Amino acid sequence: DTGVSQNPRHKITKRGQNVTFRCDPISEHNRLYWYRQTLGQGPEFLTYFQNEAQLEKSRLLSDRFSAERPKGSFSTLEIQRTEQGDSAMYLCASSFQGGGPEAFFGQGTRLTVV
Amino acid sequence: LAKTTQPISMDSYEGQEVNITCSHNNIATNDYITWYQQFPSQGPRFIIQGYKTKVTNEVASLFIPADRKSSTLSLPRVSLSDTAVYYCLVGVRGNYGQNFVFGPGTRLSVLP
Repeated sequence: DTGVSQNPRHKITKRGQNVTFRCDPISEHNRLYWYRQTLGQGPEFLTYFQNEAQLEKSRLLSDRFSAERPKGSFSTLEIQRTEQGDSAMYLCASSFQGGGPEAFFGQGTRLTVV
Repeated sequence: LAKTTQPISMDSYEGQEVNITCSHNNIATNDYITWYQQFPSQGPRFIIQGYKTKVTNEVASLFIPADRKSSTLSLPRVSLSDTAVYYCLVGVRGNYGQNFVFGPGTRLSVLP
């Protein structure tokens, strides 16, 4: 399977705990994006990497959120001290700079904070 | 930052053609129009992208008038499996950062 892979698919955590999600983009894609989606809404942009450099961060990305993309390959999104409002689907997408128009999305990680 | 407006929901029957119109009054010169489809519990899937006039691929057509202030996604002969949420986005081609905004989308229900 050469699509965007996200793990885990589901995560239930207690409020106050830290969680980490992983995204493996399509191998030749040098751009990687994180989005968050709540029920009934479209995805909201969180952050974007080109290779290993984090080039954009949304105001939605509070200091409890951190994302990394070491070596420009897979990426991790960590949420510290989770809150119930963090419950959402976290989507990762990748694209190739200068390539076709579309970004390819993974199936997401659904986070439930109880 | 171009804002888009789409109908919240639409109903159709199997075999019919469905047209979903998106308004983007403040589209910029460099902006492209992109449509995504999303099924429940899945990530969005790219459908089509265009800049002006008409674009057609194996699943849809995209009609863009000369002023580019709106666009229409056309799905020919829909089936039950086309029931999904459809998003219209406007932004610079190849960029999906803060300037590439998903709205609430159009929830299409295809009935038998």
